[in-house]
Amino acid sequence: ETGVTQSPTHLIKTRGQQVTLRCSSQSGHNTVSWYQQALGQGPQFIFQYYREEENGRGNFPPRFSGLQFPNYSSELNVNALELDDSALYLCASSLAGLAVHEQYFGPGTRLTVT
Amino acid sequence: DQQVKQNSPSLSVQEGRISILNCDYTNSMFDYFLWYKKYPAEGPTFLISISSIKDKNEDGRFTVFLNKSAKHLSLHIVPSQPGDSAVYFCAASGTNAGKSTFGDGTTLTVKP
Repeated sequence: ETGVTQSPTHLIKTRGQQVTLRCSSQSGHNTVSWYQQALGQGPQFIFQYYREEENGRGNFPPRFSGLQFPNYSSELNVNALELDDSALYLCASSLAGLAVHEQYFGPGTRLTVT
Repeated sequence: DQQVKQNSPSLSVQEGRISILNCDYTNSMFDYFLWYKKYPAEGPTFLISISSIKDKNEDGRFTVFLNKSAKHLSLHIVPSQPGDSAVYFCAASGTNAGKSTFGDGTTLTVKP
C-alpha cells in the first residue's frame, strides 16, 4: 500500500507566475484535501475534491483552483502568484465513509515566491 | 478570527514526566477534535481524536480530555519520551475530517 506522495518537493517561482502542484492519494482513497501551511502557523484548509468534484472550499481566492482525476490523484493550481503564497502545501487523502481520523498527509511541497 | 488556538508555542519536558498540550476553540458546532504530530520534512500524522459527545479518549500513552463548557481540550502524554519531540497540532472538524481547522501548533521537546 503506497502512501500519499507530492511533487515537486521544492519550488521557486516569481511573483505573477502560475504554479501547479501534484498529489497522488493513498491507494483506494477517493477524497483529496489541500492545505496551506505558512511559516509558524497551522495548516489552513484550501479545498477538497471528492469523485472529481470540488466538495467544499476554505477562505481562499479563485486564483487557487484544483482538479481531481479519475485515478483520484489531484492538482492544485495557483495563478498570479503573490509573495504571501510562499508556504508549505499539503495534500491529504481519505476514503469517504471511513472513520473521521482516516486522513493521511503527504510530505508537502515547499513553494517560495520571490 | 482563529477558531482553534494553541496558546503555547513551545513546551519542554523531562523524559518520563507528563506532557500536557492545550487547545482552545470557539465554534461549538465542531463534531470531532484531533491531534496530529509533525516531524520536520514530513506531513502531519494522526495521533488521537475525540468525539464532541465524549470527555475522554485514551490510546496507550496518549489521552485527550475535552471540556465542552470551557471549549478546551488537552493532550496528555505519559510517560514522555525523547521520540515524542515534534510539533503537535490540534484540529477540529465536522464529520468530514478532510475539512479540518488547525491550531498553530506547539513544539514539544522531551529532554533525556
